Amino acid sequence: SQQGEEDPQALSIQEGENATMNCSYKTSINNLQWYRQNSGRGLVHLILIRSNEREKHSGRLRVTLDTSKKSSSLLITASRAADTASYFCAPPTGGSYIPTFGRGTSLIVHP
Amino acid sequence: ETGVTQTPRHLVMGMTNKKSLKCEQHLGHNAMYWYKQSAKKPLELMFVYNFKEQTENNSVPSRFSPECPNSSHLFLHLHTLQPEDSALYLCASSLGRPDYNTGELFFGEGSRLTVL
Repeated sequence: SQQGEEDPQALSIQEGENATMNCSYKTSINNLQWYRQNSGRGLVHLILIRSNEREKHSGRLRVTLDTSKKSSSLLITASRAADTASYFCAPPTGGSYIPTFGRGTSLIVHP
Repeated sequence: ETGVTQTPRHLVMGMTNKKSLKCEQHLGHNAMYWYKQSAKKPLELMFVYNFKEQTENNSVPSRFSPECPNSSHLFLHLHTLQPEDSALYLCASSLGRPDYNTGELFFGEGSRLTVL
């Protein structure tokens, strides 16, 4: 079944460094979303990229999508301690448009 | 504040208890969702409602019983749960129909359930 597989599972960096998280999925998609979750809280939508887009920016976030490889990446530039959270990619389930989620990447940014 | 409110935020119950989780959205959305998040596991979709009608039941055990009286409210009734049902239960809503929705989900803060 479709779900995003994030890699790495955990990432620890220093403030000011860039953080890159990768996502792979199994079946063809029309869009892919990225979400963020602070510890024990709800998920917050970050960005949606459509299948005909290769790259999208939002502030310090850059998302890429390679449909031929069924993969996406999320880059956070000039990271801050407040970026510490789990990040999830969410491709839609096959046959519907409901986002599915993996285990996420746990990002820790040290001040 | 996402416009989706979940209560209670924390719930401890015994295996023989009956309790309910409540979700309310103030966004005018038409679709509502229940997800379950257990430690070290992917977020699991449980139920989807569109205009009060259930459109997805992801093989959820019958000890979880959803109810959607209108597009703004969603309940999850719990009875005779098991300790492995302890998890964070997340409610979400979206503007469009789940099967045509290409937009984002708005999540509540979750209800942390502990089953003793």
